[in-house]
Order: sequence, then C-alpha cells, then structure tokens
Amino acid sequence: GAVVSQHPSRVICKSGTSVKIECRSLDFQATTMFWYRQFPKQSLMLMATSNEGSKATYEQGVEKDKFLINHASLTLSTLTVTSAHPEDSSFYICSARDGRGDNNEQFFGPGTRLTVL
Amino acid sequence: GQNIDQPTEMTATEGAIVQINCTYQTSGFNGLFWYQQHAGEAPTFLSYNVLDGLEEKGRFSSFLSRSKGYSYLLLKELQMKDSASYLCAVSDSNYQLIWGAGTKLIIKP
Repeated sequence: GAVVSQHPSRVICKSGTSVKIECRSLDFQATTMFWYRQFPKQSLMLMATSNEGSKATYEQGVEKDKFLINHASLTLSTLTVTSAHPEDSSFYICSARDGRGDNNEQFFGPGTRLTVL
Repeated sequence: GQNIDQPTEMTATEGAIVQINCTYQTSGFNGLFWYQQHAGEAPTFLSYNVLDGLEEKGRFSSFLSRSKGYSYLLLKELQMKDSASYLCAVSDSNYQLIWGAGTKLIIKP
C-alpha cells in the first residue's frame, strides 16, 4: 500500500520557538494533503487541506499565520508551527490522497508528537 | 450540520464477535471509511464502503446502508491486539473526511 512518512516523530521545544513538520508520500504523488491535530482522547480535527502548488484551505478557527503550510511538490508538504506555546502541544498527523482510483482513501503518516515547554 | 455518531466505548471478550455502529448525516456522500487507531499512533485503514452491502476482509467486515445513513464494523474472533479505537469517517461532497469521535474497544481475556 501507499506509504506516507512524517518527520520528526517527536519534538520538544521551548515556548516561542517555531517547529517544522514534514510529510512525504513515498511511493505515490499526493495531489492533496491534509493536516490533522489530535488532543488526548479526542478524534482527529482537520486543520487544513493543501493542494500542490496552491494555498492551503484552513478550517474555521485555525490561524493560518500560526500554522504555515507549504505544499511545494507532489510528494512533500510541511507544517510550521510558529511561535509555539504550551497549548499547541498535540499529536499532529498528516495524510495524503493521490486522487487516483475510486476510493479517495487517505493514507496517514505516523504522526508527530509536539510538546511545548 | 454534519454529524457522525458512534458509541464512545465497548467491551468484548477475546474470541467473541463485536459490532461497532456508526450513523451519519453529511452534506453529500462519497464513501465511508473505518480506521483503527492504537493509542499514540496514527490511524490505519480498515475498510471502505461506497455501495450498500457488506464488505468482508478477513476477520473484519463492514456494512453500509446509504438510505439509512448507517454503517457497522464487525470484528470476529477477537484478539487482544484488537483493543484500540475504531474511527468512522465519511467522505463528503468535497471529498473531505468527516470524522466520528471514535469507539474505544476494550478486549477482555
């Protein structure tokens, strides 16, 4: 099956710093990538949808200037959490869809656990 | 609004069968997914239904009734490793996934 990698898997940073998370589709071209956030014991919350070469579409309540998304190629999307604060500590998961086939399945990366001190 | 409902938690015995239900109300429908998520890990794909009926894949089966806005995931011959959260998600008219809150399945020996 399709593989999506995410890096780093875990990051601890100081409040006020910026953190970049990479999401790569390893064996397919991802026309669309999604970024989710998941707090403990809660379901996934979609943060934004990005299509290669265009600006990301952010969900209501998600600050686009704080969560910068770049989808520069068909295999790479990055999420930068700018000026991170403790309330940004969460599990960030990306997924990718290649648009081929009929099932529109999203393939998930392994997630990045962000802890802001 | 869009809504996905599934039970918060279920308990079952090792070797038994369990059915996890999911009802949905969404703007458009382009398929329903079931994912398994172990604690601290990303979701993994289990099944996809876009037409009415039952899809069987090994110990897991998924059923869909579009007219009723209803799906279930059936797990047979339960194993301890099946203890996880099971997420129901519907692809809406924009092909975005609308997620249920997940059902935590506890397997007891």
